[in-house]
Amino acid sequence: QSVLTQPPSVSAAPGQKVTISCSGSSSDIGNNFVSWYQHLPGSSPKLLIYDNNRRPSGIPDRFSGSKSGTSATLGITGLQTGDEADYYCGTWDSSLNWVFGEGTKLTVL
Amino acid sequence: QVQLVESGGGLVKPGGSLRLSCAASGFSFGDYYMTWIRQAPGKGLEWISYISSASNSPSTKYADSVKGRFTISRDNAKNSLFLQMNNLRAEDTAVYYCARMQPLDYWGQGTLVTVSS
Repeated sequence: QSVLTQPPSVSAAPGQKVTISCSGSSSDIGNNFVSWYQHLPGSSPKLLIYDNNRRPSGIPDRFSGSKSGTSATLGITGLQTGDEADYYCGTWDSSLNWVFGEGTKLTVL
Repeated sequence: QVQLVESGGGLVKPGGSLRLSCAASGFSFGDYYMTWIRQAPGKGLEWISYISSASNSPSTKYADSVKGRFTISRDNAKNSLFLQMNNLRAEDTAVYYCARMQPLDYWGQGTLVTVSS
């Protein structure tokens, strides 16, 4: 089953912008929508982005998503200390399994 | 509002069994695919199984890591999702979440399963 590649960690200062990449293949990201999840310590994961770039109601526009070919990117602007969390991308693969990225730990310095 | 509440976790010996439940409310449960996802200590999220919304003979899918040992099922009349876990191994130790698909827009709070002698 596929595994999507994410950087283990990213960091930036409060107020700055950060991007998190998610790399896959034509068997997963290349032919399916990507979603992004925020997992704060002690909480359940939360949907941030779906269908590559759509935000659920209640998610601020500081969070954005994009996809190009077999890669997707999550962008977060105006970083806040409360954004410190693990972030995961997810999509379907060609065998109709759901796959997650390896996860990226965001540190707001 | 949509709510998912897992139960059934606990401590079990290797080779043992456990049945997790997920009680759903606030939405038309039978209309949605549902899934189980877990997070082992210090690890990332791992999808393990999903079940379609069909009332009669819903289709199911499993990750290779649990295929043949875990069985997902649902009772649409009782708005409930289940995960029967057999032949448990130490590496099955994790917090188990149920979530509504897709995307995975609502998650439960998780239930901890510890497999240890």
